[in-house]
Amino acid sequence: EVQLVESGGGLVKPGGSLRLSCAASGFTFSSYAMNWVRQAPGKGLEWVSSISTGSSYIYYADAVRGRFTISRDSARNSLFLQMNSLRAEDTAVYYCARVANQYHVDFWGQGILVTVSS
Amino acid sequence: DIQMTQSPSTLSASVGDRVTITCRASQSISSWLAWYQQKPGKAPKLLIYKASSLQSGVPSRFSGSGSGTEFTLTISSLQPDDFATYHCQQYNSYSLTYTFGQGTRLEIK
Repeated sequence: EVQLVESGGGLVKPGGSLRLSCAASGFTFSSYAMNWVRQAPGKGLEWVSSISTGSSYIYYADAVRGRFTISRDSARNSLFLQMNSLRAEDTAVYYCARVANQYHVDFWGQGILVTVSS
Repeated sequence: DIQMTQSPSTLSASVGDRVTITCRASQSISSWLAWYQQKPGKAPKLLIYKASSLQSGVPSRFSGSGSGTEFTLTISSLQPDDFATYHCQQYNSYSLTYTFGQGTRLEIK
């Protein structure tokens, strides 16, 4: 069974940092590109960042470029999102998501809440 | 950047109804479109990919169509479990970048 379990969320002050982790199981993690997608309270889904299988290709949404860093450790079957210079507008549930071989997102974790507030 | 616009934002319908949700892209995306269902407090669930391919395990009452800039998700006969929010998403084969529509909330009439 495919499982994606996020951790590392919580309350942080504006300007602070947080590192999200996503533990993957039930599939060959190294064979899949991965995403982070977020959803602000009461809002729609927003793509945040993607990383290819070998980490050669990395993409960011304009809203987070220069502040967030995506990475992966295939030996640990884990995906990460380092978030720096956090702003109130970064408050959201963050989802780890798998990219299927046909490029769409086919499986999502349960999400983790990040709240940026003083 | 490609923009995705869903309509309507909210849709009221009854069990047994046939409903259609539309998603329009600001430029052609060929058939690179997916549809997701999301219930409150839960992660999205993939329904349709490549505009019209039904994800394994998804009931056949769900169908997708379209190409280029206009796409539709149709539920042929609404079931109680179908009341949720539906999101479209564009993607592509040359970069891992994605754009979502703003979502359509399907509520009970």
